[in-house]
Amino acid sequence: AQSVAQPEDQVNVAEGNPLTVKCTYSVSGNPYLFWYVQYPNRGLQFLLKYITGDNLVKGSYGFEAEFNKSQTSFHLKKPSALVSDSALYFCAVKEDSNYQLIWGAGTKLIIKP
Amino acid sequence: DSGVTQTPKHLITATGQRVTLRCSPRSGDLSVYWYQQSLDQGLQFLIQYYNGEERAKGNILERFSAQQFPDLHSELNLSSLELGDSALYFCASSVAGSGRGSDTQYFGPGTRLTVL
Repeated sequence: AQSVAQPEDQVNVAEGNPLTVKCTYSVSGNPYLFWYVQYPNRGLQFLLKYITGDNLVKGSYGFEAEFNKSQTSFHLKKPSALVSDSALYFCAVKEDSNYQLIWGAGTKLIIKP
Repeated sequence: DSGVTQTPKHLITATGQRVTLRCSPRSGDLSVYWYQQSLDQGLQFLIQYYNGEERAKGNILERFSAQQFPDLHSELNLSSLELGDSALYFCASSVAGSGRGSDTQYFGPGTRLTVL
């Protein structure tokens, strides 16, 4: 069965420091991986996705994610955090044969000035 | 702005009542998805429609139903409302949803439902 885990409920980072939000997944076939961000009282916004090809995927707002097949991970990263990056981040996975995205529980990212 | 619209933004109602939430997908998108987000349960997939037909069901209660109309907008009907139904309800849309793994869902701003 498909599953996705975001092992950290909350991540705290100082402004200007690099940030990482972790995501691991389990699928039986090839994964399609997604990151979304949710700002307070807003809908989810698509950040980036991995389909195939380069393991490093670049997305919106300076975010990138690294696909690691051997570790079944898809961690979200940014070289230098901004206070405005503070939000709830969701990782999601699906298999091509399955219609549905499986969602992680979300990680609250807090960037402190 | 994702291009997905949802109305109303806020809805306050009483237990036992029935409400209808509306969603208009992005231009060209054929699939509509409904999600419920509550504080203690995260993001829960409810149901998906593709070009007017139900495609997949998630954790949708029997008191809830949805449909997608010929113009592709969708409505989520919630009846016999309970306090626990208070949540944010999101609609998302995608181009295909017909099993294509790379299909990206784009979310609307949500409807906040409060049941008193």
